[in-house]
Amino acid sequence: SQTIHQWPATLVQPVGSPLSLECTVEGTSNPNLYWYRQAAGRGLQLLFYSVGIGQISSEVPQNLSASRPQDRQFILSSKKLLLSDSGFYLCAWSRENQPQHFGDGTRLSIL
Amino acid sequence: GNSVTQMEGPVTLSEEAFLTINCTYTATGYPSLFWYVQYPGEGLQLLLKATKADDKGSNKGFEATYRKETTSFHLEKGSVQVSDSAVYFCALSDRNTGFQKLVFGTGTRLLVSP
Repeated sequence: SQTIHQWPATLVQPVGSPLSLECTVEGTSNPNLYWYRQAAGRGLQLLFYSVGIGQISSEVPQNLSASRPQDRQFILSSKKLLLSDSGFYLCAWSRENQPQHFGDGTRLSIL
Repeated sequence: GNSVTQMEGPVTLSEEAFLTINCTYTATGYPSLFWYVQYPGEGLQLLLKATKADDKGSNKGFEATYRKETTSFHLEKGSVQVSDSAVYFCALSDRNTGFQKLVFGTGTRLLVSP
């Protein structure tokens, strides 16, 4: 069966510090991968998606970037965090037109 | 563009009450429709889905019917439990994009009291 792992579960970072959130998928190959952000009291916003290694599409301009160095690894990064980057970050995967499956999320607080 | 509109929350119910959470959508093409549930502190879980008009998705006592004529996908449950307390997200995926990009509603928080 397929599983998706995200870490860390919780992260507290100072403004201006770098960020690296990691997501890995097991039990499938060549998945579509996604990063979402859920701000407090709001819905989910798609940040990035990837259909293959090294292929990243950005949905909204922002302070974040994504990379896919391996088939089942998706990384969300920032060089300098802003207060507005606080939120709940969710990674997801899917195959073809099948439903997306989500990780347990990372709660990021910026101080 | 595609969009999903959900009723404002929170929805507060007593245990065993009937639940309806409204969801309407705007889309070009022929979207698939989903309900996801998010329990406190967790990620999203797929609750049910429907891929074409008049399809009924169901799971764990929840149901939703794809109504093309009213562009709606309302979530219902006949008798809610305290354990159903969570945030529910309606979403659509437009297959015409050739790639599954989900558009989510803002979510509706459900609070069920004993």
